[in-house]
Amino acid sequence: GAGVSQSPSNKVTEKGKDVELRCDPISGHTALYWYRQRLGQGLEFLIYFQGNSAPDKSGLPSDRFSAERTGESVSTLTIQRTQQEDSAVYLCAKLQGGNYGYTFGSGTRLTVV
Amino acid sequence: QKEVEQDPGPLSVPEGAIVSLNCTYSNSAFQYFMWYRQYSRKGPELLMYTYSSGNKEDGRFTAQVDKSSKYISLFIRDSQPSDSATYLCAMKGNYGQNFVFGPGTRLSVLP
Repeated sequence: GAGVSQSPSNKVTEKGKDVELRCDPISGHTALYWYRQRLGQGLEFLIYFQGNSAPDKSGLPSDRFSAERTGESVSTLTIQRTQQEDSAVYLCAKLQGGNYGYTFGSGTRLTVV
Repeated sequence: QKEVEQDPGPLSVPEGAIVSLNCTYSNSAFQYFMWYRQYSRKGPELLMYTYSSGNKEDGRFTAQVDKSSKYISLFIRDSQPSDSATYLCAMKGNYGQNFVFGPGTRLSVLP
């Protein structure tokens, strides 16, 4: 999606390995979100960053998941000791001002084998 | 019961048909309603946005919100093969930071 860049676009990893996914909101934005999209399921909220406030981590499914962001720049989502159920598309989004919806990146398709 | 329900489809229609896509929800606090379109291997893109109840029209697309029934709809007129995608509804209350998404409906418009 325009305005949000994610890398890598695809990642295949072995079970038990750690992976790091990257999101760049390009023009910078105070609010940044990570979502997970499993096959045939809706988007699942993971974590939310707002400026210098403490992130809302309420959606992270386990302590194997963590995310960081410095200021209004790049964010990384790290999954440790990956499991097969972690296979999904991981989407990053920035808020289009107020409550007017998100601009999403194209996502990282993670496959754990 | 999931907070937002949506028929996953797939829904197949001939080109030129009127398409109706729907979501139901359980949280009466939701005020902001969105429809996103997601092409294969792409991120969702915002299609329509509605606040509270009522209708909104944009070209071939019409979004309707019926808060009394907790039911929202997206209508596509004169559907085109390029409309083939997954359509996701999303909603949010005045408070809370994140939108809640439905699972999406896969639509195929056949030429």
